[in-house]
Amino acid sequence: DAKTTQPTSMDCAEGRAANLPCNHSTISGNEYVYWYRQIHSQGPQYIIHGLKNNETNEMASLIITEDRKSSTLILPHATLRDTAVYYCIVRDRGNSGYALNFGKGTSLLVTP
Amino acid sequence: GAVVSQHPSWVICKSGTSVKIECRSLDFQATTMFWYRQFPKQSLMLMATSNEGSKATYEQGVEKDKFLINHASLTLSTLTVTSAHPEDSSFYICSAPSPWGGEQYFGPGTRLTVT
Repeated sequence: DAKTTQPTSMDCAEGRAANLPCNHSTISGNEYVYWYRQIHSQGPQYIIHGLKNNETNEMASLIITEDRKSSTLILPHATLRDTAVYYCIVRDRGNSGYALNFGKGTSLLVTP
Repeated sequence: GAVVSQHPSWVICKSGTSVKIECRSLDFQATTMFWYRQFPKQSLMLMATSNEGSKATYEQGVEKDKFLINHASLTLSTLTVTSAHPEDSSFYICSAPSPWGGEQYFGPGTRLTVT
């Protein structure tokens, strides 16, 4: 799986959009970008994934640059419950039978 | 969405005793499940891969005789911490790959405290 780089921490005001960046400059053509988050003392939660097109679901949007070397997870209207550690993971979807390699992630703090 | 459960959610045990943690996939079958351990302020670290019908595979540095894994059925994997010591106190999390896509589903975690 390609290596990813994320900022250690970010703050966001409640109600504003939270934009979490991820660099994955060594991503290969068949690797997807996955995002998970872990709220304190809970198991990680899948958020979204994409290959090259922008994706949106009920939780978030994922914007992937045209060269696919970076991406941004967008929480459009952050709430206090979105405070969590967010992990960007790049992997071949065919490797779904393998464990995830969690880096340090970005600790997002949503403030009132 | 798919659900993975863990039991118990927290447990306190005395040093030297054994503790069993269960991981279940509630609405799908999982021939493979993963066990992670997470210490405070650290990321998840893979301990072992649980395989239905075969032996578990352990990551380097994880004692297979101490952390016994049994994939009892297509929906159940158990992790038994044998002869627990205070340094085994941690947050244990299991996961299973989605049968429908590339994502994984995680259990809520089990907080183990060894006194």
